[in-house]
Amino acid sequence: EVKLVESGGGLVQPGGSLRLSCATSGFTFSDFYMEWVRQPPGKRLEWIAASRNKANDYTTEYSASVKGRFIVSRDTSQSILYLQMNALRAEDTAIYYCARDAVIKGAMDYWGQGTSVTVSS
Amino acid sequence: DIVMSQSPSSLAVSVGEKVTMSCKSSQSLLYSSNQKNYLAWYQQKPGQSPKLLIYWASTRESGVPDRFTGSGSGTDFTLTISSVKAEDLAVYYCQQYYSYRTFGGGTKLEIK
Repeated sequence: EVKLVESGGGLVQPGGSLRLSCATSGFTFSDFYMEWVRQPPGKRLEWIAASRNKANDYTTEYSASVKGRFIVSRDTSQSILYLQMNALRAEDTAIYYCARDAVIKGAMDYWGQGTSVTVSS
Repeated sequence: DIVMSQSPSSLAVSVGEKVTMSCKSSQSLLYSSNQKNYLAWYQQKPGQSPKLLIYWASTRESGVPDRFTGSGSGTDFTLTISSVKAEDLAVYYCQQYYSYRTFGGGTKLEIK
């Protein structure tokens, strides 16, 4: 059974940092792209970061809204996806989801339950 | 960046009715090399994570009821629910993956 479990969310002050984790199981982690998607309260989904699969050298992509501040990485030995978030702003307040991206589908076929991040003083 | 627009933003229907919702992209999502449209539809029920319904614009994800149908090509796409059930109460998002990923603003489906 495919599972994605996010953790690491919480309350952080503007300008602070936080690292989110997404523990995965039930599939070959290195075969899949992995994505981070966030959803501010009451708003639309926003894709923010991606880690391609091993075949694509785990290269990364970022949305303009987080590029230069957020870093996505993997621990392939433990099948964990990370999102290091730096220089946090109030507008980064959201639920953060990790999702598996199946290349053969091109879409995100499994999602975690999300972890909440609040940026406030 | 590719901009995704959805309409209507919300609609209310009775159980058993047919529903159609629209998704438009600011540029074509059709890859000429493989003739695939790089568009997906997701369903997000209240308090839940999104769930994949449709990919490649018209391929139903495993386990998704056949009352959900995706259609369209290029820049104009439609999600149709042939006979709405109460459990279909949700926000429906389209998402392009032609040029990385962008989501539409969503269509909120309410049940009368």
